[in-house]
Formats: sequence, C-alpha cells, structure tokens
Amino acid sequence: GAVVSQHPSWVICKSGTSVKIECRSLDFQATTMFWYRQFPKQSLMLMATSNEGSKATYEQGVEKDKFLINHASLTLSTLTVTSAHPEDSSFYICSARTGGRGTFFGQGTRLTVV
Amino acid sequence: GENVEQHPSTLSVQEGDSAVIKCTYSDSASNYFPWYKQELGKGPQLIIDIRSNVGEKKDQRIAVTLNKTAKHFSLHITETQPEDSAVYFCAAAGGGADGLTFGKGTHLIIQP
Repeated sequence: GAVVSQHPSWVICKSGTSVKIECRSLDFQATTMFWYRQFPKQSLMLMATSNEGSKATYEQGVEKDKFLINHASLTLSTLTVTSAHPEDSSFYICSARTGGRGTFFGQGTRLTVV
Repeated sequence: GENVEQHPSTLSVQEGDSAVIKCTYSDSASNYFPWYKQELGKGPQLIIDIRSNVGEKKDQRIAVTLNKTAKHFSLHITETQPEDSAVYFCAAAGGGADGLTFGKGTHLIIQP
C-alpha cells in the first residue's frame, strides 16, 4: 500500500506552547489529507480536511484558530496545535487519499500537554 | 451526514475459528467501504476495502461483503491467528473529497 509518514510519533509540551505535527505522503501526491483525533479506546473523529493550496475545511465543533492546518505541497500537510492545554492531549492521526488505492494513515502522534 | 454503526464492540474467538464483524451505514451515496486494523499506539492499517459496484472481495484469510440494499457490510476473518488480535474499524465514504466516517471499533481477541 501507499506510505504516509507522520512526525513526531510522540511529543510532550508545556501548557500554552504550540506544537506542529507533519504528515507526508512518501510515494504519491495527495491533494487532500485528513486530520483525525482519537481518545483512548474510542474511534477516530475527523477534525478537518486539508486541501492543497487552499484553506482547510473544519468539522463542526473544531476550532480552526486552535488547530491550524497548512497544506503547502502535494506531499505535506501540517497540523499546529496552538496554545496547547492539557485537554488537547490526545492521539492525532493524519491520512491521505490515493488516486484509487484507498486511504492510508500515518503512524499517529501522541500529544501530551503538561 | 453519514453514520456508521459497528458490532460487536468486543469479540473473542478461539484460535483457528472465524471472526465476523458487521457494520451498517446510513448514507446511500456512500460508495467506498474500507476496513482498518489498529494496534495499540499505532495508526490504522488498511487491510481490505470494497466499492459499491462489488458485492464481495477476498484477500487470503480476509473477506468483505457488501449489501447495498440493506446498507451493511461485513468483515470475515478465517483461520484466526494470535496476531489478528487488534481493534478493527469499518468506515464509509462518499465519492467526493469527504473524509471517512468510522464505526466505533471492534476489539478482536484471539484466544490461544
């Protein structure tokens, strides 16, 4: 299958700071990438759709000013959690849709805000 | 929007037996139905998918069936092995650029 690389795999940050998570499609171009959030023992919740060269589309209830998404190239989307607080601690996962081979996920990023 | 229901939430089977996980979806416009396996602390791994123009798809010990009329699809794992233990998610998506809508997941436990 296609390869989606997410970095970092885990990060610990202080409350009030910002954290950037990168999502790269390694062997294909992705005009659309998706960002999900997953709480322990729960399913994945779509946060936003990242569109190359345009603004991201956020799901209802997701603060766009808090979760900044940039999709500057066909192989890279970034999610920045701004002014992080302990309640933002979660597992964040990106995915990218290929031309016809399905949607593939990154390894996920475990964010802990202390 | 789309709503995906998945059952059971936990499934325990003896090694070597078969496991079946079922999902229903609400949006008749959905046309893509993937299944993912997620191990603890990792991202979901695509294991098989099916599109609405196909009723069944098989890949070695894994098969997926789709009933468009009833709006349900199922994952079948035969000859289960300990390494099959994980959380499995079904999902549905439409033909546009929408993201996947996931079921709540099934924790599959393979008993040795």
